[in-house]
Amino acid sequence: DQQVKQNSPSLSVQEGRISILNCDYTNSMFDYFLWYKKYPAEGPTFLISISSIKDKNEDGRFTVFLNKSAKHLSLHIVPSQPGDSAVYFCAAPWGNQFYFGTGTSLTVIP
Amino acid sequence: NAGVMQNPRHLVRRRGQEARLRCSPMKGHSHVYWYRQLPEEGLKFMVYLQKENIIDESGMPKERFSAEFPKEGPSILRIQQVVRGDSAAYFCASSPPLPGGGYEQYFGPGTRLTVT
Repeated sequence: DQQVKQNSPSLSVQEGRISILNCDYTNSMFDYFLWYKKYPAEGPTFLISISSIKDKNEDGRFTVFLNKSAKHLSLHIVPSQPGDSAVYFCAAPWGNQFYFGTGTSLTVIP
Repeated sequence: NAGVMQNPRHLVRRRGQEARLRCSPMKGHSHVYWYRQLPEEGLKFMVYLQKENIIDESGMPKERFSAEFPKEGPSILRIQQVVRGDSAAYFCASSPPLPGGGYEQYFGPGTRLTVT
């Protein structure tokens, strides 16, 4: 029962360009979403979040967009940097747990 | 302020042995969560504990798996009679006792369990 889905397992982007990572969810009751970044052999680290009362949240190079009617959110990174190469997970808290997507591996090519 | 600590980082067990994974939450955090990441999958919730209490174990397999968070010491995830399908990365997260639960979870580096 995959309530949070990331359909693109990988993405490659040139340095300086925009990276767009997508996430879909099925539970219309979700009211908060988070993006985590994960390097190999490390745990996920929090990147940015958005409440369902907003449709956009920006933090430096990172912007998350939420389209509630489509049950879709996206993470934009601009400009992309080689250090952004990592696996990105979207997550939604519900009850006592977080539901995570399967992740998108981003590679930023210098 | 040290982050969430997990040990061991890597654990190799033969089929039928027991695996014990430890998690020390961040200082001041009283809530601990365990997640499992199987190859090519996202993190899947297993159990949520507070000191001396299991709050939600809806994600735990019914057999062989148990978790505890004693009054003193780290949280322990215990897997008895391990099988090859238990091979995965196990992540622990902790959160502070925020009103209404809050949405902050800080993750440890994980324990990679390999069952041979």
